[in-house]
Amino acid sequence: DAGVIQSPRHEVTEMGQEVTLRCKPISGHNSLFWYRQTMMRGLELLIYFNNNVPIDDSGMPEDRFSAKMPNASFSTLKIQPSEPRDSAVYFCASSLGGRPMNTEAFFGQGTRLTVV
Amino acid sequence: DQQVKQNSPSLSVQEGRISILNCDYTNSMFDYFLWYKKYPAEGPTFLISISSIKDKNEDGRFTVFLNKSAKHLSLHIVPSQPGDSAVYFCAARGGKLIFGQGTELSVKP
Repeated sequence: DAGVIQSPRHEVTEMGQEVTLRCKPISGHNSLFWYRQTMMRGLELLIYFNNNVPIDDSGMPEDRFSAKMPNASFSTLKIQPSEPRDSAVYFCASSLGGRPMNTEAFFGQGTRLTVV
Repeated sequence: DQQVKQNSPSLSVQEGRISILNCDYTNSMFDYFLWYKKYPAEGPTFLISISSIKDKNEDGRFTVFLNKSAKHLSLHIVPSQPGDSAVYFCAARGGKLIFGQGTELSVKP
């Protein structure tokens, strides 16, 4: 398996534009997580899905952020409109799990977003 | 509120000595704890984990200790090697997976 695949690796966009980040989880994994890496808060959980259903989106910072998982092999994180303070590295991760089985999550290489 | 905290942003250790990284959590519902290692420009990679029913798990040079009464876990690396230099994140799981802020470990030759 190729692991968790994120695209694009780098994205530079102008303030106000829509940005879509993409993630392909590891085949067979039923949990998917979106994180944002910041200096202050480390890896900040934005949203997580279990069996394609959003379970907890309390970490999504504002209504400008939305995430979807239309099927078990694809998820998107969208920011509309984007702002300079959204600039960060965004990670997607997947795992087997949900209680009672807890396992480690595997991360993609991240998307470095720069909003100018 | 930060449910998982790593209070030391950085740690410097001499090669061959022990590295001890600490982590505190607040939610007693967490039942699985993990440590990840991250190099620049890469995603975090899983290192070692421990279930809440245990108090120690060992894998080679890496040992994780869990003190449930204190809601504290630690990662020991013995002996430390220069290649261990990275950012280490602790994480806690109870369904969702919550990470701390990370500790940057520097192992000097």
